[in-house]
Amino acid sequence: EAEVAQSPRYKITEKSQAVAFWCDPISGHATLYWYRQILGQGPELLVQFQDESVVDDSQLPKDRFSAERLKGVDSTLKIQPAELGDSAMYLCASSLQPRSGNTIYFGEGSWLTVV
Amino acid sequence: KNQVEQSPQSLIILEGKNCTLQCNYTVSPFSNLRWYKQDTGRGPVSLTIMTFSENTKSNGRYTATLDADTKQSSLHITASQLSDSASYICVVSARGSYIPTFGRGTSLIVHP
Repeated sequence: EAEVAQSPRYKITEKSQAVAFWCDPISGHATLYWYRQILGQGPELLVQFQDESVVDDSQLPKDRFSAERLKGVDSTLKIQPAELGDSAMYLCASSLQPRSGNTIYFGEGSWLTVV
Repeated sequence: KNQVEQSPQSLIILEGKNCTLQCNYTVSPFSNLRWYKQDTGRGPVSLTIMTFSENTKSNGRYTATLDADTKQSSLHITASQLSDSASYICVVSARGSYIPTFGRGTSLIVHP
């Protein structure tokens, strides 16, 4: 079964350093999402792409976070500089189209610890 | 504001017992509701999806119910197993919206 691939699975970084996460969605999925999940809470949307275009990034802290999906396939989420409060799991997900009835498939997540 | 509230926040049961998780939502106009299972340290995996016209849907030992009038859903787990230990997240989508609303999840621990 096709999966959403993410890397790295775990990342420990020092405060003020830069960190990047990569995601490869399920082939053919036009919609790609980046979520942040703090322990004990549900995922919160950071950014949503339709092909290479940003559909929603209203919850993305743009002073330090950036996301791109240059060719409309894989995507990178960057944090610079990282802060202690950024420690969380970063989930990438994809769906065929951004219709409400389409299933969102999640990757295994990337755990970030900022020290 | 669209909201999804789940209860209880956490639940501990013995292996073999049944349990029911609750989800109340204010999302409108309603399109569909999904239950996801998230194992510790893993990404969520979809269990069921329910639309407005569906009252009950089963997936093995998992049975989801939906009451669109009261805006409530429940996930019933029968004959629980140790592998059911996970967080269960309720996700509700509004018609015409691209962004679903996530609940905070119910953490279920099944003890032997």
